[in-house]
Amino acid sequence: DVKVTQSSRYLVKRTGEKVFLECVQDMDHENMFWYRQDPGLGLRLIYFSYDVKMKEKGDIPEGYSVSREKKERFSLILESTSTNQTSMYLCASSFDRRKKETSLSNQPQHFGDGTRLSIL
Amino acid sequence: DAKTTQPPSMDCAEGRAANLPCNHSTISGNEYVYWYRQIHSQGPQYIIHGLKNNETNEMASLIITEDRKSSTLILPHATLRDTAVYYCIVRVALTGNQFYFGTGTSLTVIP
Repeated sequence: DVKVTQSSRYLVKRTGEKVFLECVQDMDHENMFWYRQDPGLGLRLIYFSYDVKMKEKGDIPEGYSVSREKKERFSLILESTSTNQTSMYLCASSFDRRKKETSLSNQPQHFGDGTRLSIL
Repeated sequence: DAKTTQPPSMDCAEGRAANLPCNHSTISGNEYVYWYRQIHSQGPQYIIHGLKNNETNEMASLIITEDRKSSTLILPHATLRDTAVYYCIVRVALTGNQFYFGTGTSLTVIP
């Protein structure tokens, strides 16, 4: 089974602090994603990565940055937190090149259990 | 990505089949139908996906109508642990495309 592990389930920080959220996947997936989930707004994509050291902006990248130094690890960085960044943060990964029976295009994304971040 | 419509909530008796409908009347030919569920305080869990043929795996069955404008997720023998919000998503399966989760169907399995 695919395992996507996020470093913390719950985190409380103060405004202005720098926060690192870590995500590790154990399935050698090429693609990794960071979303935030808020009531009534569904999931919104913050950043994603196709490969090591590659990153692409999603729909709401402002106030965030990411780092992918190793294939299995994708970090989300909140440089200077604000109260409107209080949210559930979800990491996902997809695409196993070894699965020749399915193409790049239709493998699903697999999610971690999320980090509930509260900014006071 | 095509818009989907799901009922906001459903109940199902434990041990019975749960049939969750999804309408996606504007789906285009290259869009897949994916189903996820989210149990409270956990991340979304992938269930199944398909393009036009019916699909079955160890968790569920996916029935897609011939015109592809609607689909049904079937949990053959619902248990209390199947209580969750179920999301139907249609998307062009391209690398990097995000999944747009709507409001889903809140399924409650009743003992």
